[in-house]
Amino acid sequence: GAVVSQHPSWVICKSGTSVKIECRSLDFQATTMFWYRQFPKQSLMLMATSNEGSKATYEQGVEKDKFLINHASLTLSTLTVTSAHPEDSSFYICSAKENSVNYGYTFGSGTRLTVV
Amino acid sequence: DAKTTQPPSMDCAEGRAANLPCNHSTISGNEYVYWYRQIHSQGPQYIIHGLKNNETNEMASLIITEDRKSSTLILPHATLRDTAVYYCIPSGGSNYKLTFGKGTLLTVNP
Repeated sequence: GAVVSQHPSWVICKSGTSVKIECRSLDFQATTMFWYRQFPKQSLMLMATSNEGSKATYEQGVEKDKFLINHASLTLSTLTVTSAHPEDSSFYICSAKENSVNYGYTFGSGTRLTVV
Repeated sequence: DAKTTQPPSMDCAEGRAANLPCNHSTISGNEYVYWYRQIHSQGPQYIIHGLKNNETNEMASLIITEDRKSSTLILPHATLRDTAVYYCIPSGGSNYKLTFGKGTLLTVNP
């Protein structure tokens, strides 16, 4: 089945620095990937839709200048949290779908970001 | 997006069937019903989806009412590893978005 690899699985960074999270579709091409954020004991919240070769579409309330998304190839999307602050500490998850098969999206294993 | 109502939590004995209900009375005609689950601190896992017919795969069965306003996910023989939050998500279109609700925390007890 389709596999989505997310890296790193966890990261600790200092306040004010930037962190990049990678999402790769390992055995299929994905023109669209999605980025979610999940705070403790809450559900997943969609942040943005990442489109290969074009600008990402951000959900209402998500700052596009703070959460930079790049989808430069059909197998890689990156999310960069710029000038991270403690309130950005969260579980970030990406997902992608293999267009040729009839099942749902495959999710990465998530990245636990802690800003200190 | 169609709204969903799921019980916040359910318990099930190991080896027994787990039946998880979901109400989605505002589902659109072209929206499928997707079920995902999330084990603690992991990414969600796709389980099954359907439009109007009942579906079965190696993981579960999905029963959709004739009016499509509700559905039930059935895990025929629950194991301890099935303990997770289960999400019912109506969605449709070629590049659909998944909007997660609060889901149902299923706890499988020994």
